[in-house]
Amino acid sequence: EDKVVQSPLSLVVHEGDTVTLNCSYEVTNFRSLLWYKQEKKAPTFLFMLTSSGIEKKSGRLSSILDKKELFSILNITATQTGDSAVYLCAVEAVLSFGNEKLTFGTGTRLTIIP
Amino acid sequence: KAGVTQTPRYLIKTRGQQVTLSCSPISGHRSVSWYQQTPGQGLQFLFEYFSETQRNKGNFPGRFSGRQFSNSRSEMNVSTLELGDSALYLCASSLTGYEQYFGPGTRLTVT
Repeated sequence: EDKVVQSPLSLVVHEGDTVTLNCSYEVTNFRSLLWYKQEKKAPTFLFMLTSSGIEKKSGRLSSILDKKELFSILNITATQTGDSAVYLCAVEAVLSFGNEKLTFGTGTRLTIIP
Repeated sequence: KAGVTQTPRYLIKTRGQQVTLSCSPISGHRSVSWYQQTPGQGLQFLFEYFSETQRNKGNFPGRFSGRQFSNSRSEMNVSTLELGDSALYLCASSLTGYEQYFGPGTRLTVT
C-alpha cells in the first residue's frame, strides 16, 4: 500500500525562524511529489518535484527531492505569520493503463507566533 | 474509523455526456469539499458543502454542480463533458473545515 508520511505533525515557531518540513514516501511507480499550503479551504499548490537533487524555489520557500532515500523537504526561511497553515505533501504514482494515483500525507500544521 | 471513500474509482465518458461522482465522508464529518486535479495544475477547488448547503465555490463553470445529503454523503455532477474535464476528482471531508482528509479520488477520462 502506498504511504506518505509527514513530520512533524505540528510545529510552532516564532516569526523570523527557519523551518524544515519533512515528507517521506513509499509508492510504486513514483511520478512526482507535490507540496501544498492549506490555509482555510482550498490547498494552494506550491511545488511539483520530479527529479532528485534539483531545488525548487519560490521566494522564501524552497523544496528538494531525494528519490534514492524517498523523501522531500520543504524549507521556509524568515517565517511570517502568513505562513501559518497546514502543509500537505502528496505523491503521484503511475498505475497501469496510464492512470495516476495521488496519495496525500496528513499534513504538518505550522503556526507562526508574532 | 473508515476513511473517505469515493466511487467510482475510474470512469471513462465521451464528450457531451454527463457524469455523477459520489463521496462518503469520514463518519461525523459534515464538511465535504471537491477538488479537480489536472497534470501541472495542482489541486483546484470546486466547492464545499456543509450540512447540505454549499458553503464555498471555486471558479468553475456552471456545468459543475454538487449536492450533499442529510447523511453528509456528497455527489458531484458534471454535465456536457469536455475533453478538458479529464482529471482526478478528489473529495475531502473535514470536521472543522480546516484539516481535510482526502479520499482516493475518481479518475475521469473524457474521450
